[in-house]
Formats: sequence, structure tokens, C-alpha cells
Amino acid sequence: SQTIHQWPATLVQPVGSPLSLECTVEGTSNPNLYWYRQAAGRGLQLLFYSVGIGQISSEVPQNLSASRPQDRQFILSSKKLLLSDSGFYLCAWTDRGREETQYFGPGTRLLVL
Amino acid sequence: RKEVEQDPGPFNVPEGATVAFNCTYSNSASQSFFWYRQDCRKEPKLLMSVYSSGNEDGRFTAQLNRASQYISLLIRDSKLSDSATYLCVVNRSGATNKLIFGTGTLLAVQP
Repeated sequence: SQTIHQWPATLVQPVGSPLSLECTVEGTSNPNLYWYRQAAGRGLQLLFYSVGIGQISSEVPQNLSASRPQDRQFILSSKKLLLSDSGFYLCAWTDRGREETQYFGPGTRLLVL
Repeated sequence: RKEVEQDPGPFNVPEGATVAFNCTYSNSASQSFFWYRQDCRKEPKLLMSVYSSGNEDGRFTAQLNRASQYISLLIRDSKLSDSATYLCVVNRSGATNKLIFGTGTLLAVQP
């Protein structure tokens, strides 16, 4: 069966510090991968998605970036965090051909102080 | 106007009650519709897809009205374990792999 992992589970970082969040998927090949952010009291906002290694599409301009160095690995990064980057970051995957059913990882709760 | 709009609630209902959530979407070309459930501080999980003819899964019934761009979820015989936030989700027109999530409706089932 397929599983999706995210780490860390929680993170407290100072403003201006770098960020690296990692997501890995097991039990499937060539998935579509997504990064979302859910700010307090707001809906999920799609940040990035990837249809293959090295292929990244950005949804909104921001100081975050994403990379996909391996088929089942998706990384979210920032060089300098802002207060507004605080939120719940969720990674999700879909199967090719069943792209409308998204499976989410457990998420990383980020607090920028 | 938001692409997907939901009443945030909370809906406080007693066990055994029937409760209905509504959702409207702005893009008439959207083709796929879903309800996801999100427990407090957890990730969203797919509850059910919504089909044009309406569909039922146990105590849950979902309906779609394309003319009014309106989606509903009905929960019968509410259980304490139904307490969660229910997210209305619509695919973005022309991009089958991009979903737009509503901000969710909070349901609290009381004993």
C-alpha cells in the first residue's frame, strides 16, 4: 500500500532563517506531488506541484521554492522565512490517471517567530 | 469572489441529528467535485466524490446542482465521531490535477 511521509512534524524557526521540509511517498511510481499551505482559519492554498523529477510549477509568487530530486521525494525550501510563512504545510500525491483523488501526508506545523 | 465558498459554521448538532452543508463554486467549467474531511490538526482525507446524479455512502449523501453551481453534503444519524471540518473541493477548470479547496465547515456533534 502507498504511504506518504513528512518531516519534521513541527518546527519553530526565527524570522530570516532557512527552511527545508521533506516529503516522501512509498508504494507508487511516478506520482504527481503537491505542496499546500493551510494558514490559521484559511483554506488550503496550493503552492507547488510536480509531474516528474525536476519539473516544478509554482502557483503563487512567494519566497518559497520546491524541488523534486527523486521520483518520490518533494522538498519545500526557503532561504529566509517571513512571519507570514507560518502555517500547516501539507504534501499530497496522486496517481497518474487518477489525478483527482489526492492523498495527504500528516503535515508539518511551522511557526515563524 | 472565492472560487469555492462554504459556511464556516460551527454547526452544533446533537447525536442522531441530520445535518446538511452547502457549498457554491464560481467556475462553471469545473468537472469534478469532492468532499474531504479534516480532523483537528490533521491532514484532509477524501470522504466522497460528488456525482451529477447524486450519490450515497452509508449515512452520507452528496448532491450536485450544476445549474446553480451548488454542492451539498447530508449526514444522517450524526455520530460523535463525525465531528470534524468538512471541505468542499472542486477541480480547476482545464487542469484535472489541480483542486480548489473551500475553507471548510466545522461540525461539532454533541452527546
